[in-house]
Amino acid sequence: KAGVTQTPRYLIKTRGQQVTLSCSPISGHRSVSWYQQTPGQGLQFLFEYFSETQRNKGNFPGRFSGRQFSNSRSEMNVSTLELGDSALYLCASSSQGGGSTGNTIYFGEGSWLTVV
Amino acid sequence: AQTVTQSQPEMSVQEAETVTLSCTYDTSESDYYLFWYKQPPSRQMILVIRQEAYKQQNATENRFSVNFQKAAKSFSLKISDSQLGDAAMYFCAYRSGGSQGNLIFGKGTKLSVKP
Repeated sequence: KAGVTQTPRYLIKTRGQQVTLSCSPISGHRSVSWYQQTPGQGLQFLFEYFSETQRNKGNFPGRFSGRQFSNSRSEMNVSTLELGDSALYLCASSSQGGGSTGNTIYFGEGSWLTVV
Repeated sequence: AQTVTQSQPEMSVQEAETVTLSCTYDTSESDYYLFWYKQPPSRQMILVIRQEAYKQQNATENRFSVNFQKAAKSFSLKISDSQLGDAAMYFCAYRSGGSQGNLIFGKGTKLSVKP
């Protein structure tokens, strides 16, 4: 079974631009969540989607948004990029089937975003 | 709100020896899950082991085992027969039960393995 796939893996953007990151969850997984990892703030939760609906949201400004498609694939978008948005963005999926298996979250390799 | 604390920013172990990484958490919930993730230099977050709060038995996965002390809200990871490939950042994480809720991570412990 293929793991969580994220594209692109690396990208460089200029301040003020916008960026879209894509994530394909493990087959059969309906929940997709996004995390930002920086040296200063560590791992922070951005948002979670389940069945095309945002179910949870972290404490990030409205410039950070996401969506989920009917095939469970997800995208996150960051508009008006700032230097501080430079980070590793990790996508994760889970089956939501209950029990320890349903509650386990599996991660992709991440998308490295550098804002210059 | 739940919090996760890893008090050891860095640890070092000799190859083939045993090392224990500490993690404490704070919660008022009774239904939750705890995880240890490994993040090597590639930055891929890899699940190491998971523990259900309702299970008293400590989880084990090959050379990895946990010491889950629910009353003390402690969840340490023991790595036996350490290998060079174990060198990585290790993150302790908490998730509320009920199949919803995000992971709450500690700051991580950087483990070095000396040959």
